[in-house]
Amino acid sequence: NAGVTQTPKFRILKIGQSMTLQCTQDMNHNYMYWYRQDPGMGLKLIYYSVGAGITDKGEVPNGYNVSRSTTEDFPLRLELAAPSQTSVYFCASSAGKNTGELFFGEGSRLTVL
Amino acid sequence: DAKTTQPPSMDCAEGRAANLPCNHSTISGNEYVYWYRQIHSQGPQYIIHGLKNNETNEMASLIITEDRKSSTLILPHATLRDTAVYYCIVRGMNYGGSQGNLIFGKGTKLSVKP
Repeated sequence: NAGVTQTPKFRILKIGQSMTLQCTQDMNHNYMYWYRQDPGMGLKLIYYSVGAGITDKGEVPNGYNVSRSTTEDFPLRLELAAPSQTSVYFCASSAGKNTGELFFGEGSRLTVL
Repeated sequence: DAKTTQPPSMDCAEGRAANLPCNHSTISGNEYVYWYRQIHSQGPQYIIHGLKNNETNEMASLIITEDRKSSTLILPHATLRDTAVYYCIVRGMNYGGSQGNLIFGKGTKLSVKP
């Protein structure tokens, strides 16, 4: 199993550009999450989803959008990129609400210049 | 979620046991203690979790005090590959809203030295 796969691994954007970070998992997990991690800090939850067609905001959702059309995929959309969105983004999945065992992807490092 | 307090950094000699402490004095009765680690810039990795009994798996042991206000993660024979940031997280079960919203603080940076 590949687990949680994120693409791209690295990306440089100009201010105002938009892009989508892709995340897919092959474990048939219902729950999926997007976190961001700024240098020297812990992770902050951006958005999460409890199943296909259901998404909700986390702690820091401003400037981002998500969709969940399938169980496997949970893309994160950045609209009008700003320097404050320079960060490492992690996608994760879990089997359900009764478990705190999350499986994380390897991360996507985004720089906005 | 209850807040946790961890030392910012610790050193450990290779081959020795690494004991990482965590205070969670405001933990409530239905909240679990989870430990994750993050090696360099990789995604966090689940290690172990527990409610009130001590737990052991192939990676580590988790010792939770009787009053549940603190816990210790034990890596019995630390190797250089265990150098990472270790996060202690308190999380409840069966609550609505942001299910699985694990709150990652800054953790403890463990350096295993030869």
